[in-house]
Amino acid sequence: NAGVTQTPKFQVLKTGQSMTLQCAQDMNHEYMSWYRQDPGMGLRLIHYSVGAGITDQGEVPNGYNVSRSTTEDFPLRLLSAAPSQTSVYFCASSSQGNGNSPLHFGNGTRLTVT
Amino acid sequence: KNEVEQSPQNLTAQEGEFITINCSYSVGISALHWLQQHPGGGIVSLFMLSSGKKKHGRLIATINIQEKHSSLHITASHPRDSAVYICAVRGGGATNKLIFGTGTLLAVQP
Repeated sequence: NAGVTQTPKFQVLKTGQSMTLQCAQDMNHEYMSWYRQDPGMGLRLIHYSVGAGITDQGEVPNGYNVSRSTTEDFPLRLLSAAPSQTSVYFCASSSQGNGNSPLHFGNGTRLTVT
Repeated sequence: KNEVEQSPQNLTAQEGEFITINCSYSVGISALHWLQQHPGGGIVSLFMLSSGKKKHGRLIATINIQEKHSSLHITASHPRDSAVYICAVRGGGATNKLIFGTGTLLAVQP
């Protein structure tokens, strides 16, 4: 079982460039989310979705866009990369709303913005 | 003060030792998660609990709702247990937000 597949694993961007981090899950989970992980801080929620066609902002949404056209896919778009977006990004899914069922994480994307 | 506090931040143990990692929180919760993250690796869910105790292999998680405290125990620790252990809580009510601790870095030496 693939679970949650996240690509790419590593990415280097120049300031101002845009890119999309891909996330796909094959467990038919309704709830998907994106987090960023920075040294000395807990995971922080960027955006989340409770089902296809529905997205909402998390704790740190500025500079990021998401869409949920299918149950399986939840891409995260960086519109104009900034050095402050250097981080490790994780996509996660669960069968129920955030925190009410076990979480399944992707392997992470390490992003560096120069 | 963070809403979720873990202790210790760093822990070094010898193989075979019994290990305890603590998580205290200041909000009312509906569920608490323990996660494991190996260096450079992804994050794996170990436990989700809302009361009592759960056991999986050498890992045991307990929660005391009244004291707002949870512990993760590892019995007969092994070097492969070396990882960051993260506690996360889901607030009660309609909130859709998980609050994460900053993690406990565990190193088990052979």
